[in-house]
Amino acid sequence: DADVTQTPRNRITKTGKRIMLECSQTKGHDRMYWYRQDPGLGLRLIYYSFDVKDINKGEISDGYSVSRQAQAKFSLSLESAIPNQTALYFCATSQIGGSDTQYFGPGTRLTVL
Amino acid sequence: AQSVTQLGSHVSVSEGALVLLRCNYSSSVPPYLFWYVQYPNQGLQLLLKYTTGATLVKGINGFEAEFKKSETSFHLTKPSAHMSDAAEYFCAVSSLTPGYSTLTFGKGTMLLVSP
Repeated sequence: DADVTQTPRNRITKTGKRIMLECSQTKGHDRMYWYRQDPGLGLRLIYYSFDVKDINKGEISDGYSVSRQAQAKFSLSLESAIPNQTALYFCATSQIGGSDTQYFGPGTRLTVL
Repeated sequence: AQSVTQLGSHVSVSEGALVLLRCNYSSSVPPYLFWYVQYPNQGLQLLLKYTTGATLVKGINGFEAEFKKSETSFHLTKPSAHMSDAAEYFCAVSSLTPGYSTLTFGKGTMLLVSP
């Protein structure tokens, strides 16, 4: 049961290209998050959204933008991809009053050449 | 601001041995604390969490963790390791800013289990 889905699962692109990663959820959660994971650095928060009209920058938002198209959809864009954006990207969701527990998608492995 | 320190990027144990993964946190308010596990090529899965109440928390797959406020620790343990426990483990703390909580993750500990 894929409550949080991410597309694509793998993507290889070239420096300078625009790329969009998409996240959809069927959990009915209000809050959605984008993280990147790099070996030895753990997960770092890029952007988060607590409802459709709320967008907040995280720890490492430079070079990224997001769009919350609906409660269930949250997209991450790299306007002009660069090699140091090569990473594993995760989407997560949580519910208000849910003790901040976050539920993660399967991840998108992005390689920028 | 919150922070999380996981001691040891890699921990190796033999099958059947005790698993101990260490996590220390800093927080200006009483924290919510979490342990997540990541199996190869998968997303993160919640193992257990501490919010309030009993400081010894039991999770899935036989894992447990104890919140020790005086030591600002939330170490993860399992009495007997299985080969299937080999994965990366992440400790996280909630910011607990009312209505605007996010999680801060540690850098992870890779658990290696040998036969």
